[in-house]
Amino acid sequence: DAGVTQSPTHLIKTRGQQVTLRCSPKSGHDTVSWYQQALGQGPQFIFQYYEEEERQRGNFPDRFSGHQFPNYSSELNVNALLLGDSALYLCASSLFIGLQNQPQHFGDGTRLSIL
Amino acid sequence: AQSVAQPEDQVNVAEGNPLTVKCTYSVSGNPYLFWYVQYPNRGLQFLLKYITGDNLVKGSYGFEAEFNKSQTSFHLKKPSALVSDSALYFCAVRDDSGNTPLVFGKGTRLSVIA
Repeated sequence: DAGVTQSPTHLIKTRGQQVTLRCSPKSGHDTVSWYQQALGQGPQFIFQYYEEEERQRGNFPDRFSGHQFPNYSSELNVNALLLGDSALYLCASSLFIGLQNQPQHFGDGTRLSIL
Repeated sequence: AQSVAQPEDQVNVAEGNPLTVKCTYSVSGNPYLFWYVQYPNRGLQFLLKYITGDNLVKGSYGFEAEFNKSQTSFHLKKPSALVSDSALYFCAVRDDSGNTPLVFGKGTRLSVIA
């Protein structure tokens, strides 16, 4: 039973560039959430996708956008990268029904470094 | 707004001794509470949750947590620590409205010394 997989593992970009991160949810899950974890901090919620629509969004600028595909996989896109975007980006999957009281399953993340 | 506080950045404990990692929360409705653990260069692993019912919740790897509504706390405990328990621990909360995302604390680094 494959868990949540994320790619790439590491990525180095320069300021102003654009980046796309990818996530495949755990088998059987239909909802994907993205989090940003800065060094020494807890994960911060970016947004959540279900049925190919953004359902909830955290306090992140429009430079952060996403997409969910019919197979439930998801992408996180960040435009006009800033030094402060350097972080571990985590994808988590779950079932939409019963979402509130069920744990999310996390991938190992993509480490994004901005130079 | 929801929030979680983990007052200790670091907890040190000797192997075999009991451990406690503290968490307090704030939500407008009823809380759904979670503990996750993160090992180096890995994602978060679910340990246990409190939704309703018994205030003492048992989870993976011998961990348990006690929900205290009056003190708005959800402390993580283990009777006998192992060196392999050394990791970063996160408490998280959401309310029961169905409209709020999961909010995490800053994390507590647990170091178990042999």
